[in-house]
Amino acid sequence: AQSVTQLDSQVPVFEEAPVELRCNYSSSVSVYLFWYVQYPNQGLQLLLKYLSGSTLVKGINGFEAEFNKSQTSFHLRKPSVHISDTAEYFCAVRALRGTASKLTFGTGTRLQVTL
Amino acid sequence: DTEVTQTPKHLVMGMTNKKSLKCEQHMGHRAMYWYKQKAKKPPELMFVYSYEKLSINESVPSRFSPECPNSSLLNLHLHALQPEDSALYLCASSQDELATEAFFGQGTRLTVV
Repeated sequence: AQSVTQLDSQVPVFEEAPVELRCNYSSSVSVYLFWYVQYPNQGLQLLLKYLSGSTLVKGINGFEAEFNKSQTSFHLRKPSVHISDTAEYFCAVRALRGTASKLTFGTGTRLQVTL
Repeated sequence: DTEVTQTPKHLVMGMTNKKSLKCEQHMGHRAMYWYKQKAKKPPELMFVYSYEKLSINESVPSRFSPECPNSSLLNLHLHALQPEDSALYLCASSQDELATEAFFGQGTRLTVV
């Protein structure tokens, strides 16, 4: 079984400042890692994913994440945020040999960007 | 077309009503899913259909009844719901069950009164 911990339930940040959203996971097997964004009253949109290869993954909207196997982390970063980045961000994992539906989600981090 | 389309976007229903949620994709995906998401919580898997057959039912109450009439369409029939069933219902699809990622729809916001 897998588990995902998003330590910060809310992250307030000023526009144009950098941000890091933290994600740690636990698993006894190899996993795929994902970050999803959810805007108010919307579905989930995939920001980026780590499947294999380079541990630095670039996604949409200027986000990137780094997979750290030794620390079992997959933190999401953006060097300069915009008001439009205000949303809920979910980190998720699934086992390599699991199914696409068997995503284990973290509890989410609310990113609030203000002027 | 890389979208999963859900209708309606919003639905208010009484506890004695019967209603249906609809989900459609034209990406040729053969696995489709229903998730339930309560406020400020992550999505929870309800059902998985694989090649139009029910593959996973996560012990969902029988007042929720899924249906997959063809490979592009997934329905969720609702009957005798409770107020605590109010939530955002998300549909997702993937190439097949073993695909690396699933694509999510925009959801249906359901309110049971």
